[in-house]
Amino acid sequence: DAGVTQSPTHLIKTRGQHVTLRCSPISGHKSVSWYQQVLGQGPQFIFQYYEKEERGRGNFPDRFSARQFPNYSSELNVNALLLGDSALYLCASSYTGTVRQETQYFGPGTRLLVL
Amino acid sequence: QQQVKQSPQSLIVQKGGIPIINCAYENTAFDYFPWYQQFPGKGPALLIAIRPDVSEKKEGRFTISFNKSAKQFSLHIMDSQPGDSATYFCAASLTSGTYKYIFGTGTRLKVLA
Repeated sequence: DAGVTQSPTHLIKTRGQHVTLRCSPISGHKSVSWYQQVLGQGPQFIFQYYEKEERGRGNFPDRFSARQFPNYSSELNVNALLLGDSALYLCASSYTGTVRQETQYFGPGTRLLVL
Repeated sequence: QQQVKQSPQSLIVQKGGIPIINCAYENTAFDYFPWYQQFPGKGPALLIAIRPDVSEKKEGRFTISFNKSAKQFSLHIMDSQPGDSATYFCAASLTSGTYKYIFGTGTRLKVLA
């Protein structure tokens, strides 16, 4: 079975632009979470979606938005990019997103560089 | 209260040594504590996880020790190998509200051949 897949793998944008990152969860998983990992730091939670509904949001500005599609894939959108948005963006999937019972499986990430 | 503090920041051991990575938390609502291994250019991969009703868990060469009263947990890697060289993250989860992981800042481990 394929693991979590993310696209693109790398991306270079300039300040003020918009970016869309995509994630396909493991087959059968219904929950997707997004994390931002700045170089040298641990991942920081951005969003979780389950059955197309937002279940949680981290401490990120409104420039960050996401959605989940009927096939459980997800997009993360970032508007008005800032230099500080340069990071590895990780997608994690789990069956229901109930962390108490389940593991989150991470994809390889999308490396975003904002110039 | 949402932080997980991880130490050391980096660690170098000889092959066969037992590196130990420590994490501490403050929020007693956390009830799931996974450890992830991350190689350069890759996403984190789950190594082992523990719940606070257990004081120790072993999976292969990886052992988690958990001290609920001290709100600390640690990862031990037995018989470490050069292939274990990676960055290790501890994490903790909340029992209610958002089902998110709070990650530590990471420990970069290098195992010398």
